[in-house]
Amino acid sequence: AQSVTQLDSQVPVFEEAPVELRCNYSSSVSVYLFWYVQYPNQGLQLLLKYLSGSTLVESINGFEAEFNKSQTSFHLRKPSVHISDTAEYFCAVSEIQGAQKLVFGQGTRLTINP
Amino acid sequence: DTAVSQTPKYLVTQMGNDKSIKCEQNLGHDTMYWYKQDSKKFLKIMFSYNNKELIINETVPNRFSPKSPDKAHLNLHINSLELGDSAVYFCASSRSSGGRETQYFGPGTRLLVL
Repeated sequence: AQSVTQLDSQVPVFEEAPVELRCNYSSSVSVYLFWYVQYPNQGLQLLLKYLSGSTLVESINGFEAEFNKSQTSFHLRKPSVHISDTAEYFCAVSEIQGAQKLVFGQGTRLTINP
Repeated sequence: DTAVSQTPKYLVTQMGNDKSIKCEQNLGHDTMYWYKQDSKKFLKIMFSYNNKELIINETVPNRFSPKSPDKAHLNLHINSLELGDSAVYFCASSRSSGGRETQYFGPGTRLLVL
């Protein structure tokens, strides 16, 4: 079985400041890693995912995440946030073998202050 | 031309009633899912269907019964509603059931049981 821990339930930052949202996972088998974002009153949408290859993955809107196998982490970072980044961010894992069953963390609410 | 749609968006009902939530995707995907998001924003998978076949059935009470009439639709029927069923229910779909796939989420159905 897998579990995902997002270490911060809320992260307030000022606009244009850098941010890091932390995610650690536990699994006895190899997993794929995902970050999904949920804007207010909407469904989730994929931000980025790690499948294989380069451990640094990037999204189109400036976020990046680095897979660290030894620390079983997949932290999400952005060098300069914008008001529009205000949302709930979910880290998730899925076993490589078998049907996809996303296991989500508890979510981190990112609040951007002007 | 919404990719994944759910009806209704809001559902307020009394304890003991039976209700259904409908989900449709127009992405041509083979796999569909139901998730429950509780009041603390924690997301947990309930069911997954691939080509109308049930492939994931988490520890969900028998009062919850999914039905997939075709690949584009996955409905959720709930019998004898209880207070604890109050949550946001999300439908999602993916191209296939493999672990690497991106899931596309609907806008959610907010269920309130009184």
